[in-house]
Amino acid sequence: AQSVAQPEDQVNVAEGNPLTVKCTYSVSGNPYLFWYVQYPNRGLQFLLKYITGDNLVKGSYGFEAEFNKSQTSFHLKKPSALVSDSALYFCAVRDGGYNKLIFGAGTRLAVHP
Amino acid sequence: EAGVTQSPTHLIKTRGQQATLRCSPISGHTSVYWYQQALGLGLQFLLWYDEGEERNRGNFPPRFSGRQFPNYSSELNVNALELEDSALYLCASSRGTGNTEAFFGQGTRLTVV
Repeated sequence: AQSVAQPEDQVNVAEGNPLTVKCTYSVSGNPYLFWYVQYPNRGLQFLLKYITGDNLVKGSYGFEAEFNKSQTSFHLKKPSALVSDSALYFCAVRDGGYNKLIFGAGTRLAVHP
Repeated sequence: EAGVTQSPTHLIKTRGQQATLRCSPISGHTSVYWYQQALGLGLQFLLWYDEGEERNRGNFPPRFSGRQFPNYSSELNVNALELEDSALYLCASSRGTGNTEAFFGQGTRLTVV
């Protein structure tokens, strides 16, 4: 069965510093991976996806993610964090047989001024 | 282009009653997904509709049901409401099957008292 794990409940980073939010996956076959962000009392916003091709994927709001097949990871990164990046981040994998997205538990990112 | 819209934004029901939640997908999207986001439980997949048919359902009791209309909008019905059904219900849509990203609505906050 497809699954993703987000090992950190919360990540704290100072504004201006680089940030990383971790995600590891377990799939049979090719992984189709996604990152979403959720602001308080809002739905999820799509950030980026990896289907195939370059291991470094660029997305919205300056975020990027690095796909690493040998480590089965898909970490979300940003070179310089903003306070406004503070939100809940979800990693997801597509369950190819059923098309639905399977989400990790989420990581709360707190960026401090 | 209008995004995924959900109604109502908030819904308060009494235990034992029925709730109906509605979702309009992005124009051109034929797949609709429903997720439950309960406090502390992450995003749980409920239902997937495509081209008017239920394609897959998550591990929820039969009192959770829905349908997709010819215009691809969708309803989620929850019968015999229980207190633990209180959650944010999120609808998402995508361009049919395949590895395209899903776009989410703002959600319906269902409170069962």
